[in-house]
Amino acid sequence: DVKVTQSSRYLVKRTGEKVFLECVQDMDHENMFWYRQDPGLGLRLIYFSYDVKMKEKGDIPEGYSVSREKKERFSLILESASTNQTSMYLCASSTGTGWYEQYFGPGTRLTVT
Amino acid sequence: DAKTTQPTSMDCAEGRAANLPCNHSTISGNEYVYWYRQIHSQGPQYIIHGLKNNETNEMASLIITEDRKSSTLILPHATLRDTAVYYCIVRVPNTGNQFYFGTGTSLTVIP
Repeated sequence: DVKVTQSSRYLVKRTGEKVFLECVQDMDHENMFWYRQDPGLGLRLIYFSYDVKMKEKGDIPEGYSVSREKKERFSLILESASTNQTSMYLCASSTGTGWYEQYFGPGTRLTVT
Repeated sequence: DAKTTQPTSMDCAEGRAANLPCNHSTISGNEYVYWYRQIHSQGPQYIIHGLKNNETNEMASLIITEDRKSSTLILPHATLRDTAVYYCIVRVPNTGNQFYFGTGTSLTVIP
């Protein structure tokens, strides 16, 4: 079974803090994705990566950056957290050819106070 | 923009077929329709996808109309564990691998 793990289920940070969300997958997948999920807005893509050190902006990249130094790990960085970044963050991975079949982690609920 | 519209919520009796509709009237001719579901407190899970022929797998069946403007996901014998939010998804044009998830249909299976 594909396993996608995220570093924390719940996280509370203060405004202005730098926040790192980590995601690790164990199936040697080429693609990795970061989404945020908000009530009434569904899932929105923040960034995705199709290879090590490669990244592409999604629908809402503002205020976020990403890092992919190793194939299995994809990090989402909030340089200076703000209250409007309070959300559920979901990481996913997929193979290069089967990109549509994404395997999701359990999510990190981030609260910025 | 290729987007989808789905009912906000639906109920289904346990053991009966659950039919979840989706409208995707602006989908382009070579774009697939994908379905995912999200059980409470979990990440979304891929179910099935199709282009223009009906598709079936161990989880569900997908019926796509001939004009491809709409589709229906069918769970043939719904169980309580099928209670979830179901997303009908298309790829955002000219973006490579970006999905438009929308807000989905919240299906409640009633005992």
